[in-house]
Amino acid sequence: GEDVEQSLFLSVREGDSSVINCTYTDSSSTYLYWYKQEPGAGLQLLTYIFSNMDMKQDQRLTVLLNKKDKHLSLRIADTQTGDSAIYFCAEENNNDMRFGAGTRLTVKP
Amino acid sequence: EAQVTQNPRYLITVTGKKLTVTCSQNMNHEYMSWYRQDPGLGLRQIYYSMNVEVTDKGDVPEGYKVSRKEKRNFPLILESPSPNQTSLYFCASSGTGAGEKLFFGSGTQLSVL
Repeated sequence: GEDVEQSLFLSVREGDSSVINCTYTDSSSTYLYWYKQEPGAGLQLLTYIFSNMDMKQDQRLTVLLNKKDKHLSLRIADTQTGDSAIYFCAEENNNDMRFGAGTRLTVKP
Repeated sequence: EAQVTQNPRYLITVTGKKLTVTCSQNMNHEYMSWYRQDPGLGLRQIYYSMNVEVTDKGDVPEGYKVSRKEKRNFPLILESPSPNQTSLYFCASSGTGAGEKLFFGSGTQLSVL
């Protein structure tokens, strides 16, 4: 089946940039998403990118999409302790969504 | 306030005792879905529904049932729960237009002893 893969852990220092990477296999994905899950909470949509775009910037968040390599990344500039959470990458094709296992981001003061 | 509401938040039960996790949305969304979240596996889709009386299996439907008698409600039913169904469950909903986003409930932590 189709897979979405992410590394499970990332640790950064407060103020540094964080880059969370994701690879997917479905070349016909229409949208790609980043969700944030804080402890004890549901998933919150952070940002998304349409598959014909290369980049999307939204305040501290930058999403890069390399469609040829099926690689998606989320960059968080000036990472804060409040950014500590699990980040899920997801791809969508015709209402069928597949999620990665999630990357646990730890921000150290 | 637009939201997806799941109940209960926490549930401990025993093997074989039927249970239902409710899910309700107030956004008039056509699409609703159930996921389970397990460590190292991410979110996996159990069942989804494109509209009232229309349901389809996701990636891991075994041991689960759903129903969609009304647009706003999409309950998840475990007829005979087993320990391997211990997991964190999320309900989600969205419209079906291009680029519609998934809204998630807060999750139900289920433990089957």
